[in-house]
Amino acid sequence: NAGVTQTPKFRVLKTGQSMTLLCAQDMNHEYMYWYRQDPGMGLRLIHYSVGEGTTAKGEVPDGYNVSRLKKQNFLLGLESAAPSQTSVYFCASSLGTGAIRHFGDGTRLSIL
Amino acid sequence: KNEVEQSPQNLTAQEGEFITINCSYSVGISALHWLQQHPGGGIVSLFMLSSGKKKHGRLIATINIQEKHSSLHITASHPRDSAVYICAVRATYGGSQGNLIFGKGTKLSVKP
Repeated sequence: NAGVTQTPKFRVLKTGQSMTLLCAQDMNHEYMYWYRQDPGMGLRLIHYSVGEGTTAKGEVPDGYNVSRLKKQNFLLGLESAAPSQTSVYFCASSLGTGAIRHFGDGTRLSIL
Repeated sequence: KNEVEQSPQNLTAQEGEFITINCSYSVGISALHWLQQHPGGGIVSLFMLSSGKKKHGRLIATINIQEKHSSLHITASHPRDSAVYICAVRATYGGSQGNLIFGKGTKLSVKP
């Protein structure tokens, strides 16, 4: 039982490049979330999904897109990376909005 | 003003000491979460509580809804408890996504 798996763990991009972060969970959770963690700030919600085929914007969605084509996967895309998107990205899943979140190990993304 | 405030920001303790980390919030909530972020970056959910007190091993979490305050206690602290402890609240406003509002974390270092 792997829980929540994020790939890649580290990535360096140049400004303007695109990439996709993958999150996979094997707990059959309906809800999935993407957060970013920046120094001196709490985790902030980028996008979330309440089930397969659905996505919604969180607190800081600009510059990101997401897709939830399969229940177990939640993809976060950066179409044109900017230095302001340098951050650590965490994926999480939960049974419901009121349930505890299960987090992945994070993806450290640097944009030069 | 941040809606979730943690204190202290940094805490250094000697092995065996009793530790208290505080979390105050300014919004109405339906639940409060305590999370642990390991030095390697992974985040683990410790507790979710909406009233009273919960205990797991050497960890105890309490919440006072009237005072909008929660504490996380660690008894007989050990160097392996060194981590960042994060408080997060599920606000009663915000629609169905049950977005969590995260504190900035308390960095705990336990010296042998």
